Amino acid sequence: IVMTQSPAILSVSPGERVTLSCRASQTISTKLAWYQQKPGQAPRLLIYGASTRATGIPARFSGSGSGTEFTLSISSLQSEDFAVYYCQQYNDWPPFTFGQGTRLDIK
Amino acid sequence: QVQLQESGPGLVKPSETLALTCSVSGGSTRSYYWSWIRQTPGRGLEWIAYTYYSGSTHYNPSLRSRATISIDTSKDQVSLKLTAVTTADTAVYYCVGGRGVVGVWWYWGQGTLVTVSS
Repeated sequence: IVMTQSPAILSVSPGERVTLSCRASQTISTKLAWYQQKPGQAPRLLIYGASTRATGIPARFSGSGSGTEFTLSISSLQSEDFAVYYCQQYNDWPPFTFGQGTRLDIK
Repeated sequence: QVQLQESGPGLVKPSETLALTCSVSGGSTRSYYWSWIRQTPGRGLEWIAYTYYSGSTHYNPSLRSRATISIDTSKDQVSLKLTAVTTADTAVYYCVGGRGVVGVWWYWGQGTLVTVSS
């Protein structure tokens, strides 16, 4: 299953709301996870089951979608949110597959 | 809190075997499922292999049977071997673990850079 994220780069200002998109090449129900990766660090789980926040993830992060279309929204961007975000499907494996990532840049 | 630490040579010669070990602390390898994932600037995040203490293993078909994942519950370690490496196998290799639904990676090691070069 090919995961396609858009856009590749998003320039936003702190305090703004942003929505990132992820599309699966075939239906994956809600078997979708989102990860955040900061420079020099490993990815961190944010969302699983398309919409369930992982332990300790702030409420400003929310996920939605099912089937083939998914979104990750971040309300009121904080400075620590500028990072790369990846989606990953776990409905049909092997293999588990990731999107190519969306990088959030400070405008 | 589960913590993962990868270890292994940072430089491997082409055609040789890459061997990495992941040491698990703060939890038992019997309590979670495990995988190796690698990351390159060009190919992004690529899942390599999966294992569970029951002996179940699964691999990414793209690696054409070059990968072997294993688990040593007595030592709480997960290992990866990748044979016949080429420069395309140069990557940061992550050990990852999960609980609950298979495929959600809750725990990540810091990653280890492996360079394939003569």
